Amino acid sequence: GENVEQHPSTLSVQEGDSAVIKCTYSDSASNYFPWYKQELGKRPQLIIDIRSNVGEKKDQRIAVTLNKTAKHFSLHITETQPEDSAVYFCAASMEYSSASKIIFGSGTRLSIRP
Amino acid sequence: NAGVTQTPKFQVLKTGQSMTLQCAQDMNHEYMSWYRQDPGMGLRLIHYSVGAGITDQGEVPNGYNVSRSTTEDFPLRLLSAAPSQTSVYFCASRVTRTSNQPQHFGDGTRLSIL
Repeated sequence: GENVEQHPSTLSVQEGDSAVIKCTYSDSASNYFPWYKQELGKRPQLIIDIRSNVGEKKDQRIAVTLNKTAKHFSLHITETQPEDSAVYFCAASMEYSSASKIIFGSGTRLSIRP
Repeated sequence: NAGVTQTPKFQVLKTGQSMTLQCAQDMNHEYMSWYRQDPGMGLRLIHYSVGAGITDQGEVPNGYNVSRSTTEDFPLRLLSAAPSQTSVYFCASRVTRTSNQPQHFGDGTRLSIL
């Protein structure tokens, strides 16, 4: 089955700097990669996703890149702000598969230093 | 819409007790799933359902049972609780079985097994 590895487990950056979180996946059939943000004590919420037919997707200060050959994808947050402090999860799945399972990475705790 | 509702929010059990965690959604979503969240382990899929009457196992199904008699409800049962099942449990749903849709999470149930 699919296995998703996520690094680093913790990340601290100065406010205004950029943050990068990296994930690798094992199943080459995976073709849908969402990212979720979980604030302390809250539920996870989808912030951005990417499909395997594109290499990059941006939404304001966040972007995700995908390298299908290497089977890795990354989340980039620019101009970080205090409200970006949270745990971020990457995930992988096979879109349109009858299995429909979304497998998550272990999470990255991002802290923004003032 | 209430979204995804989980009850209870907190529960303490003794080893060997049984319990059912409730999950209900009022969005007419086809797909529902249960995850457990442990420190450093991310979100691990326990069981999922692609529609009423259909359930399947996720990554960590042992010790848990599920059923899906209606579209709205997807209860998770612990038949004989063990300390290793101490965790935060999240229920999630999405519109269809295909994975390219945002998953909507409930607020979670924090379960402690003594």
